[in-house]
Amino acid sequence: DAGVIQSPRHEVTEMGQEVTLRCKPISGHDYLFWYRQTMMRGLELLIYFNNNVPIDDSGMPEDRFSAKMPNASFSTLKIQPSEPRDSAVYFCASSHGQGWRNEQFFGPGTRLTVL
Amino acid sequence: QKEVEQNSGPLSVPEGAIASLNCTYSDRGSQSFFWYRQYSGKSPELIMSIYSNGDKEDGRFTAQLNKASQYVSLLIRDSQPSDSATYLCAATGTASKLTFGTGTRLQVTL
Repeated sequence: DAGVIQSPRHEVTEMGQEVTLRCKPISGHDYLFWYRQTMMRGLELLIYFNNNVPIDDSGMPEDRFSAKMPNASFSTLKIQPSEPRDSAVYFCASSHGQGWRNEQFFGPGTRLTVL
Repeated sequence: QKEVEQNSGPLSVPEGAIASLNCTYSDRGSQSFFWYRQYSGKSPELIMSIYSNGDKEDGRFTAQLNKASQYVSLLIRDSQPSDSATYLCAATGTASKLTFGTGTRLQVTL
């Protein structure tokens, strides 16, 4: 079975530009998570969805960040406008849900560099 | 704030030895615990999950959970250079989100 798929794998953009990151969760998983990882702050949860509905977006750093999940097989994380401090690796993960089913599986990540 | 704490390391062990990685958590409501391995430049990979007090073994890996002490550990027997990575501990409560520790960097020396 295919794992979590993310695109692009690398993104280099200039400050002020819009960035869109994409994720396809594992088929059958009903939870999807977006994380950001930096050396300084480690792995941070940005937002997560259950059955395509956003459940907790308290980790979204500011209004420049938005996420959508229009269907069970696709989600986007958008940054507009981007800033150099947004440079990080962004991971998408998916899981079945609570308890033992909450094992989360990560995609390969998108390395974002904002110049 | 609910936290998961780990020593950042590096923890250096010789090849063939037992590596012991430790983690504490603050939320007594946490129910599920996970260990992820992350190689440099790669994504976290789930290697162990544990849900009840005691030990759980899988190959060279043993996860240990003590809910009374709010303590989780991971033992790696017969450590290999390929085990050199950062190990992330994570915990979840009644919600479905995980809280991750900052990770312990393990170095297995020849």
